[in-house]
Amino acid sequence: QVQLVESGGGLVKPGGSLRLSCAASGFTFSDHYMSWIRQAPGKGLEWVSHISQSGTIIYYTDSVKGRFTISRDNAKNSLYLQMNSLRAEDTAVYYCARDFGWLQFQHWGQGTLVAVSS
Amino acid sequence: QSALTQPASVSGSPGQSITISCTGTSSDVGGYNYVSWYQQHPGKAPKLMVYDVSNRPSGVSNRFSGSKSGNTASLTISGLQAEDEADYYCSSYTRSNSLVFGGGTKLTVV
Repeated sequence: QVQLVESGGGLVKPGGSLRLSCAASGFTFSDHYMSWIRQAPGKGLEWVSHISQSGTIIYYTDSVKGRFTISRDNAKNSLYLQMNSLRAEDTAVYYCARDFGWLQFQHWGQGTLVAVSS
Repeated sequence: QSALTQPASVSGSPGQSITISCTGTSSDVGGYNYVSWYQQHPGKAPKLMVYDVSNRPSGVSNRFSGSKSGNTASLTISGLQAEDEADYYCSSYTRSNSLVFGGGTKLTVV
């Protein structure tokens, strides 16, 4: 069955960096667009970024452009999110999700918490 | 990209039907038939309930149905059950090749 397992979250100071990973299994990873979606504590869902199957097409939400970088390694069935210049407002649970078409997601990971605080 | 507009909360009694609205613009909801609805219980990942405006994934109860008119999409839950109590989010593909979510609606089954 499809499994997505995020890791790499934690507590980081403002201005710091963190790299999230998402290990995929149970499907042909290289066949699917993948996304990162986040949810601040007690708040709603916010799409962060998505990447095409080959990694050549990438989009970001405006608030993370220039600070976050999405990437993937199809040989390792893994998705990544490099987060630099972190701000307090980046504090959230970060989910990776498998896109089955037009940014619609049937499969989500369990999420990893990123807390940005001094 | 502004968030889609959903009511903050709705409530209903067991067995009743409720509808949650999701209003966007012609650049998102009105322009594409790629509206999804997600159910989220506390501490859990979202679960897809409806995609492409009105389609249900395998395994989702037919008590959940979606529709769209103009820039507003709707999720209707019929025969409310206690386990339907959760937060519900709509989302839509946008003209900017991005995704926008609604602010979320808390459903209470009283």
